[in-house]
Amino acid sequence: DTAVSQTPKYLVTQMGNDKSIKCEQNLGHDTMYWYKQDSKKFLKIMFSYNNKELIINETVPNRFSPKSPDKAHLNLHINSLELGDSAVYFCASSQGFRGEQETQYFGPGTRLLVL
Amino acid sequence: AQSVAQPEDQVNVAEGNPLTVKCTYSVSGNPYLFWYVQYPNRGLQFLLKYITGDNLVKGSYGFEAEFNKSQTSFHLKKPSALVSDSALYFCAVRDFNDYKLSFGAGTTVTVRA
Repeated sequence: DTAVSQTPKYLVTQMGNDKSIKCEQNLGHDTMYWYKQDSKKFLKIMFSYNNKELIINETVPNRFSPKSPDKAHLNLHINSLELGDSAVYFCASSQGFRGEQETQYFGPGTRLLVL
Repeated sequence: AQSVAQPEDQVNVAEGNPLTVKCTYSVSGNPYLFWYVQYPNRGLQFLLKYITGDNLVKGSYGFEAEFNKSQTSFHLKKPSALVSDSALYFCAVRDFNDYKLSFGAGTTVTVRA
């Protein structure tokens, strides 16, 4: 009965590889997000989709590409991984992105380590 | 532009004592304000929010926060801290005219028995 789930939980890979992280929510929410948390715990929004439409696209390298096949899923694909991509990536969802609907529910995180 | 500051990296209190975690914000319009908590190796959990209405907001686990427009603050408080409140606390703000939530750097709370 997990609300927001992410796979995998841990990801260790070599520089230059391509990897994907998957996110699914069973809350019936319309809006989903990807955040990056660095080693100092600083949290930064990367992308957000509302009803499969991209509404937030922060300044991230174009090696990062989100894909939302439906409202319940938001995947993150990363090409040509670099050492600086090592971080914890959190997926989140909310009913909407305005007012009372924007309380976000976070997944458990995917810990990415690039060697 | 919007920003949020948590001036204290760490807050240490004894169990049973009041707990305050400070947050100040800067927005060009009206703020939407949030507090989230992160336990070790877990995702963030929502505590409370201010959207409009009463300046004193009550949330989960006995926490509350007061919106102070003149001081642009939204401090988190708990009258009597528990050891289990030890965690990383994030304040977040969204300007009415923006889509994204901006998070503070986080404050680590340690409650000693």
